[in-house]
Amino acid sequence: ETGVTQSPTHLIKTRGQQVTLRCSSQSGHNTVSWYQQALGQGPQFIFQYYREEENGRGNFPPRFSGLQFPNYSSELNVNALELDDSALYLCASSPRALRETNTGELFFGEGSRLTVL
Amino acid sequence: GNSVTQMEGPVTLSEEAFLTINCTYTATGYPSLFWYVQYPGEGLQLLLKATKADDKGSNKGFEATYRKETTSFHLEKGSVQVSDSAVYFCALRTGGSNYKLTFGKGTLLTVNP
Repeated sequence: ETGVTQSPTHLIKTRGQQVTLRCSSQSGHNTVSWYQQALGQGPQFIFQYYREEENGRGNFPPRFSGLQFPNYSSELNVNALELDDSALYLCASSPRALRETNTGELFFGEGSRLTVL
Repeated sequence: GNSVTQMEGPVTLSEEAFLTINCTYTATGYPSLFWYVQYPGEGLQLLLKATKADDKGSNKGFEATYRKETTSFHLEKGSVQVSDSAVYFCALRTGGSNYKLTFGKGTLLTVNP
């Protein structure tokens, strides 16, 4: 069983540029979430995708956007990069339960570390 | 809104010492509670969870009990090992199909031989 994989693992951008981060979900998982983890902080929820649609969003501006593809992989796009966007970006996947429940486990990738100069 | 407060780190212990990492939460509704661990250079992994009051989650010698009356979910281990050195995150989730997790800031644990 293949786990969650993310790419690239590290990248450096300059302020104002745009970045795309990629995530392949774990086999059989159709829900993907993205989190931002600043240095020394806990992960913060950015948004979640299910069946190629965003179905939950945290307190992040519109320049953070995403996509989910038919194979359930996902992209996170950030436009007009700012210095404060420097962080570890984590992707997590999970199966969508037939019955709604809050007990579900998220499976995380190792993250993409973005540095904005 | 939902929030999680963890004890400040870093925590440094000797091997075989007793570990407690405090976690308290504020939430609407009835949250599920989780402890995730992040080993150096790796992604977050679920360590244990509890889904209702008085449940005890346990894994790899770690335990945590869901205390609704004190809104707490403290992590404990009776005898830590060097391999337990990692960052530990307390987290909660409320609601139905929304898998959003609210995390604490994390506690860095270093265990010395």
